[in-house]
Amino acid sequence: SQQGEEDPQALSIQEGENATMNCSYKTSINNLQWYRQNSGRGLVHLILIRSNEREKHSGRLRVTLDTSKKSSSLLITASRAADTASYFCATATYSTLTFGKGTMLLVSP
Amino acid sequence: DTAVSQTPKYLVTQMGNDKSIKCEQNLGHDTMYWYKQDSKKFLKIMFSYNNKELIINETVPNRFSPKSPDKAHLNLHINSLELGDSAVYFCASSQLLAGPETQYFGPGTRLLVL
Repeated sequence: SQQGEEDPQALSIQEGENATMNCSYKTSINNLQWYRQNSGRGLVHLILIRSNEREKHSGRLRVTLDTSKKSSSLLITASRAADTASYFCATATYSTLTFGKGTMLLVSP
Repeated sequence: DTAVSQTPKYLVTQMGNDKSIKCEQNLGHDTMYWYKQDSKKFLKIMFSYNNKELIINETVPNRFSPKSPDKAHLNLHINSLELGDSAVYFCASSQLLAGPETQYFGPGTRLLVL
C-alpha cells in the first residue's frame, strides 16, 4: 500500500508567493525525502530529513517533519516560474523508498 | 558526466515483443533500483539490487527480469510485452545505510507498447 500521500494534489500560485505542500505517511520511517520532477524528466532530489530531525533548510526550501503526526511539509519561499514541477515525498524504511502521488505546482509569472 | 544513464530514452514496440533497458551509474553506489511511473505519475518500486544481489522484488510479473552484471549496472529485460507495460521506467541508485539514502535518478525510458 502507498506510504506517502501528498496534499494538495495541485497548487497554483503567483511568482513571489510561498508554496506549501504536505505529506502524510503511515508507518515508522528512517528518513523522508522530497523530490522534484519537471515535465518529461527524471526525479531530482531536493532534501532529506532524518527521523530524529524536525526541520531542515536548503536555500528557499524548508522541510519539517513531525513523526508523532507522521507528517512532513515542504515550503518553497519566494516561488519562481522555474519552480513549476511535480513534487514528491518519499519515505524510507529499512530497504525501501516509497513515493507518494505528488503535488503539481504551477507558478505563474 | 551523467551520474545515472539509461538507454534507450524512447522505446516503441509491438505487443508480444521482448525488449531490454540498460542502466549504468558512475556514482559508486552499492544499490540500484527500477521504478515504473504510470500515466498518473505514480512512481512504484519494481526491483532493488544491493551489491548485485536482489533485495526487493515487488509484485511484478515474471515477464520482467532484472540483471545486475556488476554494481554499476542494472538492466531490465521484459518478455512478451503487453499494452499495460506502457509507462516511463526509471533507474536510480543510492547508498543504503539504515535505509535508502538520496536516490539519483536516470532520465527515464518511455516505453510505448502498441
